[in-house]
Amino acid sequence: EVQLLESGGGLVQPGGSLRLSCAASGFTFSNYAMTWVRQAPGKGLEWVSGISDSGGATYYADSVEGRFTISRDNSKNTLYLQMSSLTAEDTAVYYCAKGSVATMFKGHFDYWGQGTLVTVSS
Amino acid sequence: DIQMTQSPSTLSASVGDRVTITCRASQSISNWLAWYQKKPGKAPKLLIYKASSLESGVPSRFSGSGSGTEFTLTISSLQPDDFATYYCQYYNSYYTFGQGTKLEIK
Repeated sequence: EVQLLESGGGLVQPGGSLRLSCAASGFTFSNYAMTWVRQAPGKGLEWVSGISDSGGATYYADSVEGRFTISRDNSKNTLYLQMSSLTAEDTAVYYCAKGSVATMFKGHFDYWGQGTLVTVSS
Repeated sequence: DIQMTQSPSTLSASVGDRVTITCRASQSISNWLAWYQKKPGKAPKLLIYKASSLESGVPSRFSGSGSGTEFTLTISSLQPDDFATYYCQYYNSYYTFGQGTKLEIK
């Protein structure tokens, strides 16, 4: 059974940093692209960042480019999102999702985690 | 950038109804479209991919159709568990979600 378990969310002050993790199990993690999607309160789904199977290619939405860094450790079956210079607009539930193929932007998201809440507030 | 527009934004229906949600792309996206179901506090769930392929384990009352710029998600006979928000997503060369359609109980 595929499982994705996010952690690392919490309350952070504007300008602060946070690192999210997503522990994966039930599939060969190193064979698939992975991505982060967020949902702000009362809003829709927004793709945030993605990474190819090997980690060699990373991609970001314009809204987080230069502030967020995605990475993965295939030996630990774990996906990460390092977030810095956070603003109130980054407040959201962050979901990790498994891509259906190895390459970014070439497959849908077939499994999702339950999400972790990030609140940016003073 | 390709924009995805869903209609309606909110849909009120009753158990047993047949409902259709529409998703329009700002330019042709072939059949690179997925549909997800989202309930509050729950993870999104994949329903349909490649516009019309039913994800394994998803009830057959869900179906998708369309290509190019216009797509539909149809639920043939609404069940109580189907009241949720539905999102379409374009997934080739970029990822773009529609704004969502909230399916409410009438």
